Amino acid sequence: GAGVSQTPSNKVTEKGKYVELRCDPISGHTALYWYRQSLGQGPEFLIYFQGTGAADDSGLPNDRFFAVRPEGSVSTLKIQRTERGDSAVYLCASSKRQGAWANTGELFFGEGSRLTVL
Amino acid sequence: AQRVTQPEKLLSVFKGAPVELKCNYSYSGSPELFWYVQYSRQRLQLLLRHISRESIKGFTADLNKGETSFHLKKPFAQEEDSAMYYCALGTGNQFYFGTGTSLTVIP
Repeated sequence: GAGVSQTPSNKVTEKGKYVELRCDPISGHTALYWYRQSLGQGPEFLIYFQGTGAADDSGLPNDRFFAVRPEGSVSTLKIQRTERGDSAVYLCASSKRQGAWANTGELFFGEGSRLTVL
Repeated sequence: AQRVTQPEKLLSVFKGAPVELKCNYSYSGSPELFWYVQYSRQRLQLLLRHISRESIKGFTADLNKGETSFHLKKPFAQEEDSAMYYCALGTGNQFYFGTGTSLTVIP
C-alpha cells in the first residue's frame, strides 16, 4: 500500500484479555517503530525493529508487552493480561534507514490503533 | 537522559500574526531535531528537520545548541496552520517526542 497501515483502528477489550495490534509498513522500509500515545501526551517510544530483529525494546513497559516482526515486514504488538492503564493509541511508524545516520530518515506514521480496556 | 520539552500545551494567535512554538531538548550527544505535525483527522507527519535547514509551509526552525532549543517559527500564521505540533529528538535508534503544542489560528 501507499502508506503505513494499522489494524484494527479501534479495539475495545476487557481487563485481563489478550490483544494483538498489527502494523504493515511501507514496502522497502527496514526500520519499524511502535509508539504509545496516551491522552494529552506525545508519542512514547516502545520498540524499534531493524529488519526482523528488535534492535531496541527498552521502551516496553513490562513483560506483558511483546512485539514480533518475523519476516522483516509486518509487525504485531502483543499485549497480555490487559490493564485499564494500557488504554491508549498505539502508533506504528516505518523508515528507510540511511546508512549509519538512521535518524536522518523520516518517520512515516500509521493512523494508529485505539485500544480501550474496560 | 534524553528529554524534549514543549512548555506550551495550547497556543492561540490571530491570522497574520507571528507564531513561535517552543522546544527545548536535553541530550549529551549530537542531536538530530525534527518537528512533526498532526492536522485534524490526519496522521502524524514530518514538517521539517534541522539538518535540512529548509522552510516548509513558511515555517523555519533553528537549532541553538547553546540554549538547547529548536523553536518553530512562522512570520505570518494562516488558518490552515491550526494543528498539533510535536518536537522530536533523534538519537541512535530512538525518536523522543515532546508532549505537543496545539496551535489555533484565529481568523
